[in-house]
Amino acid sequence: DAGVIQSPRHEVTEMGQEVTLRCKPISGHNSLFWYRQTMMRGLELLIYFNNNVPIDDSGMPEDRFSAKMPNASFSTLKIQPSEPRDSAVYFCASSLETWAEQYFGPGTRLTVT
Amino acid sequence: GIQVEQSPPDLILQEGANSTLRCNFSDSVNNLQWFHQNPWGQLINLFYIPSGTKQNGRLSATTVATERYSLLYISSSQTTDSGVYFCAEQASGTYKYIFGTGTRLKVLA
Repeated sequence: DAGVIQSPRHEVTEMGQEVTLRCKPISGHNSLFWYRQTMMRGLELLIYFNNNVPIDDSGMPEDRFSAKMPNASFSTLKIQPSEPRDSAVYFCASSLETWAEQYFGPGTRLTVT
Repeated sequence: GIQVEQSPPDLILQEGANSTLRCNFSDSVNNLQWFHQNPWGQLINLFYIPSGTKQNGRLSATTVATERYSLLYISSSQTTDSGVYFCAEQASGTYKYIFGTGTRLKVLA
């Protein structure tokens, strides 16, 4: 298996622009997680999907953030409008079941200037 | 809330040395994972170990759930072991993994 795939790997954008991050989970996994990693806050969970349904989005920092999972093989995390404080590495992870081992993608390094 | 504490925060080793990294957690554990974040930022699964002991080559891990800690052993360290090691706990009754702040390891040639 190719593992969790994320795109783009790097994104540089200007404040106010819309940013869309993409994730393809491991085939057969029914749980998908979006995380954000910063120096100040470490790794924090943003949102969790189970069987394509958002279960908990309490970690989403603001209404500027939204996430979708239209099917079992694709998810997006959108920031609109983006701000410099959104600069971070965004990871997607998937697992076979909710209470199972998580596998992380390579991450998207986002820089908002 | 759930707390996951890792020690030491930083560690410098000479190549060939052994080390033990510790993870303490505050709640009863459902699942626990150890990850290695390499210098390129990728998070690599090392162990999925809610209890007991596992070994994979030079690495091994032990989780004592009743005492709420887990240990990661690195033997005969190599420069490629450098990076940050995270433990993440999934407490009983929840789906969230809470990550520790990591141990930053540097192995010198």
